Amino acid sequence: GAGVSQSPSNKVTEKGKDVELRCDPISGHTALYWYRQSLGQGLEFLIYFQGNSAPDKSGLPSDRFSAERTGGSVSTLTIQRTQQEDSAVYLCASSPNMVLAGGPGELFFGEGSRLTVL
Amino acid sequence: QKEVEQDPGPLSVPEGAIVSLNCTYSNSAFQYFMWYRQYSRKGPELLMYTYSSGNKEDGRFTAQVDKSSKYISLFIRDSQPSDSATYLCAAGSARQLTFGSGTQLTVLP
Repeated sequence: GAGVSQSPSNKVTEKGKDVELRCDPISGHTALYWYRQSLGQGLEFLIYFQGNSAPDKSGLPSDRFSAERTGGSVSTLTIQRTQQEDSAVYLCASSPNMVLAGGPGELFFGEGSRLTVL
Repeated sequence: QKEVEQDPGPLSVPEGAIVSLNCTYSNSAFQYFMWYRQYSRKGPELLMYTYSSGNKEDGRFTAQVDKSSKYISLFIRDSQPSDSATYLCAAGSARQLTFGSGTQLTVLP
């Protein structure tokens, strides 16, 4: 497809289980972002990838969260030992490399993965 | 204090009204300013993108940035029911955007 694809769209898990969320960005987009959206809280930045490297991991809320990107394409966000406060919509976005302009460019978002931790 | 603060709403207006949505930011290093629109259970989509103070117009939408007061606004003229959504302001640098918490807008027919 032409857009950012995320899976699963919905995930219900029990407290303490690990979850993996997948993001397939737009082909050719070198920058990839993960955000978390909780009810009434807006978008919380988690991590940014340029190619396969993550120059900015400052938003990961704890060491239970990790992310990787392989082949400059697909990214996986992993949450270990999930807690109820991890319940949120996890949004992935990609953008073209804007080195010349210096700006982030337009972020193209997927529809998100809705995580519910019971 | 959050780096980007947004009037939370919700906001309900009659069709045809002029809508004003507002944000403030605290980081003077922010150079890029955006407005995103998010429909229910969908990802945000870009409405407006600017990197300078002043106004930028696109159809019924006008984005306004005042860097001296760190103020960001979005105006919607002749609002339509199809404009009903959550509007998110964003400000940031080359690597990262910081989003406001969003304002939920309902335009009543």
